[in-house]
Amino acid sequence: RKEVEQDPGPFNVPEGATVAFNCTYSNSASQSFFWYRQDCRKEPKLLMSVYSSGNEDGRFTAQLNRASQYISLLIRDSKLSDSATYLCVVKTGANNLFFGTGTRLTVIP
Amino acid sequence: DAGVIQSPRHEVTEMGQEVTLRCKPISGHDYLFWYRQTMMRGLELLIYFNNNVPIDDSGMPEDRFSAKMPNASFSTLKIQPSEPRDSAVYFCASSFLVPGNTIYFGEGSWLTVV
Repeated sequence: RKEVEQDPGPFNVPEGATVAFNCTYSNSASQSFFWYRQDCRKEPKLLMSVYSSGNEDGRFTAQLNRASQYISLLIRDSKLSDSATYLCVVKTGANNLFFGTGTRLTVIP
Repeated sequence: DAGVIQSPRHEVTEMGQEVTLRCKPISGHDYLFWYRQTMMRGLELLIYFNNNVPIDDSGMPEDRFSAKMPNASFSTLKIQPSEPRDSAVYFCASSFLVPGNTIYFGEGSWLTVV
């Protein structure tokens, strides 16, 4: 079983829509959780960390459910510039970061 | 601010040739990671170093792959001999050792083995 699993998509949504991605992880001892964003032919960049109580950054909301071992990312009022691949990342141990294969989002005008 | 610097950005080589990818981490970062990304397998950790010492190389696919970090500002990933299935984007990344630390990626080295 993979450490981190994501629905690869693609998700095609109109501008202004709300879209949500989920990600599940297999190791219950995982300590830290992140969402990274990767634009086409670019490197991954940190979008936001995911805290136990859930956290928000503008139009983006991240949530963690330890009991069910999943994390989610909600994007409200989607913009064309949100089109990218979103990578779920789980940290287990000192520096073992496991990346999901990513969920591709396309926001359509 | 200089980020993680990788070279070459693109390389096309023939099967059997040696490939050397280079990385300069962000100054002051004490962790360095080498990742490989393909469409099928996503991002895979190959090896990481802490203070120039290899900590976990369990992701290195086989003996054809080797990595070194002779000093805090330089690392190499070598493939010898290269095979077509090695074609991928190879990312180098670095980070500080703090809880919940962010890792910063270089722009990647796009390798095609023909």
